Amino acid sequence: GQNIDQPTEMTATEGAIVQINCTYQTSGFNGLFWYQQHAGEAPTFLSYNVLDGLEEKGRFSSFLSRSKGYSYLLLKELQMKDSASYLCAVRGGLWENQGGKLIFGQGTELSVKP
Amino acid sequence: GAGVSQSPSNKVTEKGKDVELRCDPISGHTALYWYRQSLGQGLEFLIYFQGNSAPDKSGLPSDRFSAERTGGSVSTLTIQRTQQEDSAVYLCASSLVLRVTGEGRGELFFGEGSRLTVL
Repeated sequence: GQNIDQPTEMTATEGAIVQINCTYQTSGFNGLFWYQQHAGEAPTFLSYNVLDGLEEKGRFSSFLSRSKGYSYLLLKELQMKDSASYLCAVRGGLWENQGGKLIFGQGTELSVKP
Repeated sequence: GAGVSQSPSNKVTEKGKDVELRCDPISGHTALYWYRQSLGQGLEFLIYFQGNSAPDKSGLPSDRFSAERTGGSVSTLTIQRTQQEDSAVYLCASSLVLRVTGEGRGELFFGEGSRLTVL
């Protein structure tokens, strides 16, 4: 089966650093994505990892370990506007069979406090 | 268009009625996906289109759900004889086609969704 786990909710302080973890078990692996979703809005793409290691993009970084089925999203210098749901998603099977569909975790609701 | 467009943004219907939800993907994106998001839940995959064909319908919850895509562009998700458990936000996404090797990110671009409430 396919399973993606991430914490349901987290709280952090403005200006701090927060790490959101994601573990996955899928029948195949062809990339891991992180999306941000503000309440009532569409999910928006944040990051993509297909090889092991850290990808950095401004205040956001994402890490992947394929052997451990593990990823994390690191948010630095937290701002109030970072309060949102963060969705971990895996592209599992062969492209031609599953068309690149993403399997999503339940999402982590992050609250940033002043 | 510039982004993925969905309509209606909100739909309230009575149990047993049929509803149609529309998605207009980003121009040039041949892959189109439908997902469902219930309150406080993650995104549940429903169906994937490549062009006008649907190679993966594995997420459709029952035969009351169907979808079609015409002209390789606009897609319609139809729910017949709606039930209260169908209440959710229905999200459409599109992406560029990747080669078999999966090169490139192929990230999905989402619309704002259609919020369906079945009374």
